[in-house]
Amino acid sequence: QITLKESGPTLVKPTQTLTLTCTFSGFSLSTSGVGVGWIRQPPGKALEWLAVIYWDDDKRYSPSLKSRLTITKDTSKNQVVLTMTNMDSVDTATYYCAHSIRIAVGRHYFDYWGQGTLVTVSS
Amino acid sequence: DIQLTQSPTFLSASVGDRVTITCRASQGLSSYLAWYQQKPGKAPKVLIYAASTLQSGVPPRFSGSGSGTEFTLTISSLQPEDFATYYCQQLNSPWTFGQGTKVEIK
Repeated sequence: QITLKESGPTLVKPTQTLTLTCTFSGFSLSTSGVGVGWIRQPPGKALEWLAVIYWDDDKRYSPSLKSRLTITKDTSKNQVVLTMTNMDSVDTATYYCAHSIRIAVGRHYFDYWGQGTLVTVSS
Repeated sequence: DIQLTQSPTFLSASVGDRVTITCRASQGLSSYLAWYQQKPGKAPKVLIYAASTLQSGVPPRFSGSGSGTEFTLTISSLQPEDFATYYCQQLNSPWTFGQGTKVEIK
């Protein structure tokens, strides 16, 4: 049974750095074809993909946010960490981590999601 | 980046109705598109991947079709638990989602 859970601060101040941790179980991030991604959703708005890290440590980022994002994994702890620098009020959103599975070379979709964590950016 | 445009944005329907949602891509995707359902306060749930493959455990009243730049999600007979927001997602990096289609009770 695959589960994922996001953890981190619920409130950050503008200009601060956000660090979110995704702790998962039921799969290994060493397994070929597997990845963990981050997706966010501002209140009342659509989903936005942020970043993904794959079993082989390949990392991909949203082009519009690439300069602010870093994704890393700790396979032994079953954790993936996302950091986002220079937070602003427009970054207020629910942040989800999700398990991704490959259906073809370079093509993945998200089949299991965490419950999400709401991060508010305010002074 | 590849842009996805869903239509309609809002849809009002009754239980038992056949519902179709369209997703148009700004570039060809082959069949690399997924559909998700999201209920208020919950994480999205995948329904369809590779344009037409039903995710395990998803009721067969959901179906997907299309390739290239035009895709559809069809619910053959809308059930009370299907009132939700639906998103398409293209599977070519960098991944993008459509803006969503909210299915409401008529």
